[in-house]
Amino acid sequence: AQSVTQLGSHVSVSEGALVLLRCNYSSSVPPYLFWYVQYPNQGLQLLLKYTTGATLVKGINGFEAEFKKSETSFHLTKPSAHMSDAAEYFCAVSDLSRSSASKIIFGSGTRLSIRP
Amino acid sequence: ETGVTQTPRHLVMGMTNKKSLKCEQHLGHNAMYWYKQSAKKPLELMFVYSLEERVENNSVPSRFSPECPNSSHLFLHLHTLQPEDSALYLCASSQDRGPTDTQYFGPGTRLTVL
Repeated sequence: AQSVTQLGSHVSVSEGALVLLRCNYSSSVPPYLFWYVQYPNQGLQLLLKYTTGATLVKGINGFEAEFKKSETSFHLTKPSAHMSDAAEYFCAVSDLSRSSASKIIFGSGTRLSIRP
Repeated sequence: ETGVTQTPRHLVMGMTNKKSLKCEQHLGHNAMYWYKQSAKKPLELMFVYSLEERVENNSVPSRFSPECPNSSHLFLHLHTLQPEDSALYLCASSQDRGPTDTQYFGPGTRLTVL
């Protein structure tokens, strides 16, 4: 069965600094991977997703993630943090163990704080 | 604005009350979902509907009863809840149920059970 692990429940960076949020996955088949963001008092919003093809995926708001099969990782990065990036970030993987493949398995989330 | 709305945004209820949560999607999607988001726990999928048919019930207690009268509307009927049911309940929709389909989430209903 598929699963994801997010390393670090809370990450704090200075405004303008590099953002790196870590995600490792477990899957016996090629995975489909997602990053979602949740701003305060809102639902989740898709940042980016990896299905097939190019392993470096670009998303909204300047975020990108790289699928590394050898490291079973899908870390999220942004070169320069902005105050508006403060939110909760969720890594997720499609559950492909079932024929009705509608289930997404979410990680426990990483709260990103930005210091002025 | 994601095209998925939820009402009410906040709900406080006693354990003997009956209430309903409503979700509406304006995206023409065929699949809809209910999730429970509790503090310090991963999102828990509760129910999945595809073309108004329930296709997944993730071992949810019977005090939660979903209803999908059409592909645009999804309800979650609540009765005799417990304090541990207090959480943010999120509705989502996707075009279909494929493994790469993006799910679009509503803002959630913050439920408090006294």
